[in-house]
Amino acid sequence: GPKVLQIPSHQIIDMGQMVTLNCDPVSNHLYFYWYKQILGQQMEFLVNFYNGKVMEKSKLFKDQFSVERPDGSYFTLKIQPTALEDSAVYFCASSPLGGNTLYFGAGTRLSVL
Amino acid sequence: AQSVTQPDARVTVSEGASLQLRCKYSYSGTPYLFWYVQYPRQGLQLLLKYYSGDPVVQGVNGFEAEFIKSNSSFHLRKASVHWSDSAVYFCAVSAQGGSAKLIFGEGTKLTVSS
Repeated sequence: GPKVLQIPSHQIIDMGQMVTLNCDPVSNHLYFYWYKQILGQQMEFLVNFYNGKVMEKSKLFKDQFSVERPDGSYFTLKIQPTALEDSAVYFCASSPLGGNTLYFGAGTRLSVL
Repeated sequence: AQSVTQPDARVTVSEGASLQLRCKYSYSGTPYLFWYVQYPRQGLQLLLKYYSGDPVVQGVNGFEAEFIKSNSSFHLRKASVHWSDSAVYFCAVSAQGGSAKLIFGEGTKLTVSS
């Protein structure tokens, strides 16, 4: 089936540093999402993105977070600066126009020390 | 507000036994309903989805789910489980229309014992 790729699979950084998580969505998809999953807990919606704009974001999407997809390349989640509570697995997803089915990547495990 | 509840955090069944994983949702309107499975260190994979029509939907690997509107439920079933079904299962709901975000339940960790 369609594949969403996330790079890297694991990233370790010091608190206060900036981190960028990369997502290569399914090629013809138009909607993009980030979800956060703390170990053993449910997936929580962070943000969705369409046509170069954030459409909706949750309260978990703090001011330190930003997303973009420059020139149709990677869809990125940037956290600047990072905090300890940002440690989690971040999943990217994409969906086609008119489709509600989300396709998820394998996630990036972010460890903030 | 939309929400999804999976009342069973962990379920253990013997290989070959039948399975039901429970899911109840709260949503004002007509929802889209999904079941996803998450294997260790992997992303979520879609098992099945319900949009409309026949309330019993078939998914991959012998899974099915039944939408019961009067009960606000969308339980997942399988007639005979295999050890490879061990994983975490998530029920999710979304609004109709493109870009609608998924709201997930807490997940149910299924262990199939041999």
